[in-house]
Amino acid sequence: DGGITQSPKYLFRKEGQNVTLSCEQNLNHDAMYWYRQDPGQGLRLIYYSQIVNDFQKGDIAEGYSVSREKKESFPLTVTSAQKNPTAFYLCASTATGGTGELFFGEGSRLTVL
Amino acid sequence: AQSVTQLGSHVSVSEGALVLLRCNYSSSVPPYLFWYVQYPNQGLQLLLKYTSAATLVKGINGFEAEFKKSETSFHLTKPSAHMSDAAEYFCAVSDTGTASKLTFGTGTRLQVTL
Repeated sequence: DGGITQSPKYLFRKEGQNVTLSCEQNLNHDAMYWYRQDPGQGLRLIYYSQIVNDFQKGDIAEGYSVSREKKESFPLTVTSAQKNPTAFYLCASTATGGTGELFFGEGSRLTVL
Repeated sequence: AQSVTQLGSHVSVSEGALVLLRCNYSSSVPPYLFWYVQYPNQGLQLLLKYTSAATLVKGINGFEAEFKKSETSFHLTKPSAHMSDAAEYFCAVSDTGTASKLTFGTGTRLQVTL
């Protein structure tokens, strides 16, 4: 079945450590997105990529980095510069020419100890 | 600039009762509107979308929403709630139809009681 796979589902990190969240899709979608979800705040866009080897900052990119070396993969690194990294992270994708419908992975919950 | 407001962060209904989740938007152009559902510790799933075709949109699991331009609203309804409807619901708006310009509301948590 086609879909988006995020790993790990749960992750614990000590302060000062970088951590990378994986996102892989087999939907053949060109565009991929990373969102952060905090209670009562909805979803906020971190980074997005519309094509391989290109990506743009979203609304809250500070303290995060991404890469897009393959169409299927869009990993997110939460760096030590992110001051409040504990959150639920969601990866999503869309088909080119679509009407904005997002397909989501099941999310990764990051907790900083 | 676009924005979306969901009235009521928590809504509780009895099983079998009408579900009404409110969403109001602002947009300078005809919007694309979406409702997504999220079950605990999972990603979001599209319930339905409005893209300037019929104003009454039917989605999955018996949900529907009506686009009312005069009221700038896109409320989500279901005639009879089921226990399995308990989840968080997000309304989202886009001016351009592209996901990179999608703005989400803060969500409404639906509780269904016996």
